[in-house]
Amino acid sequence: EPEVTQTPSHQVTQMGQEVILRCVPISNHLYFYWYRQILGQKVEFLVSFYNNEISEKSEIFDDQFSVERPDGSNFTLKIRSTKLEDSAMYFCASSEALGGANEKLFFGSGTQLSVL
Amino acid sequence: GESVGLHLPTLSVQEGDNSIINCAYSNSASDYFIWYKQESGKGPQFIIDIRSNMDKRQGQRVTVLLNKTVKHLSLQIAATQPGDSAVYFCAENYGGATNKLIFGTGTLLAVQP
Repeated sequence: EPEVTQTPSHQVTQMGQEVILRCVPISNHLYFYWYRQILGQKVEFLVSFYNNEISEKSEIFDDQFSVERPDGSNFTLKIRSTKLEDSAMYFCASSEALGGANEKLFFGSGTQLSVL
Repeated sequence: GESVGLHLPTLSVQEGDNSIINCAYSNSASDYFIWYKQESGKGPQFIIDIRSNMDKRQGQRVTVLLNKTVKHLSLQIAATQPGDSAVYFCAENYGGATNKLIFGTGTLLAVQP
């Protein structure tokens, strides 16, 4: 069964450093998302991406965050200068469509980011 | 603000029993609802969804019920198995152009053998 893959599974970084989290969405999907989950809390929406543009972003997704689809298969989340409060599990997701039967989001297994 | 919440943070059931996990949502404009299962160290896994024009949908061993009058969503798992032990999240989609999901806080389902 096709799946969303994320690398690395764990990332440890020093505060102020840049990190790039990588995702390979399901191949025929057109809509891509990043969510995050701070330990013990809800899964929170960060950003949605379609047609090489951000469709929507949350308040969390400030100027320190950016997303990119550098080629036909990868989708990345960059945090320019990490803060302690960025420590969380980051999930990539993709969907085939927006409405109808194919709007289901499929999630990857996540990247656990620890900022020291 | 708008939010999705769960009534029971932890539910413990015996293997073979039926489980019911509840969720309250507050945005009456939401038109699509999903239940996800999250096992330790993994991402949310789609279980079942339902649109606002339905009040019940069945899958394999799972049923989702939607009561729009009281803005309530439930997930029923028949003959609960140890492999069902996980955190279950409901999520709502406000609709529109982005498919953004708003997740609830999660319910931990613990299945006792």
